[in-house]
Amino acid sequence: QQQVKQSPQSLIVQKGGIPIINCAYENTAFDYFPWYQQFPGKGPALLIAIRPDVSEKKEGRFTISFNKSAKQFSLHIMDSQPGDSATYFCAAWEAAGNKLTFGGGTRVLVKP
Amino acid sequence: DTGVSQNPRHKITKRGQNVTFRCDPISEHNRLYWYRQTLGQGPEFLTYFQNEAQLEKSRLLSDRFSAERPKGSFSTLEIQRTEQGDSAMYLCASSGTGDQPQHFGDGTRLSIL
Repeated sequence: QQQVKQSPQSLIVQKGGIPIINCAYENTAFDYFPWYQQFPGKGPALLIAIRPDVSEKKEGRFTISFNKSAKQFSLHIMDSQPGDSATYFCAAWEAAGNKLTFGGGTRVLVKP
Repeated sequence: DTGVSQNPRHKITKRGQNVTFRCDPISEHNRLYWYRQTLGQGPEFLTYFQNEAQLEKSRLLSDRFSAERPKGSFSTLEIQRTEQGDSAMYLCASSGTGDQPQHFGDGTRLSIL
């Protein structure tokens, strides 16, 4: 049972394009939503995170949009670069469960 | 380097053998988590410690798996009688209390021959 659904599974953009990754959740007890970036052979690295009382958060070229009523959130990578080519995971935290639930991941390829 | 450290990075073993992995968290973090990640999937929660107490275990953690954090610092994850299905990346993460962000190590990749 997948509690956090992530799409698409993969995406290819040209340098400078804006990859958009979408996630949806069902558990309304989730109250913290981080995004992680993972390169091959490495562990996930925290990129940016948002709480449901905020509709948008920007950090550098990364922006999270959050729609609490729809239970959806998304990651936009502005002015994407080849170095952004990686797998991106959304996740959701539930305080009562004390654990992160991850989406299935999106492999992003940014072509030069 | 003050990040989360995991050893070994890669473990190859024969089916039926026991294996043990070690995780050294960020020193000021009192929470430590173990996850399993298979190819093309997101990490799946296995277990979590607050200081030395193991507070939650996933149903994924069969009785062949055991984790310890004896002094509330480093942790070990042992798998007994390994099976082909245990082949995966085992990730450790640590955090402060509450919804503080979890910081991951680079994992131990387990390959079962």
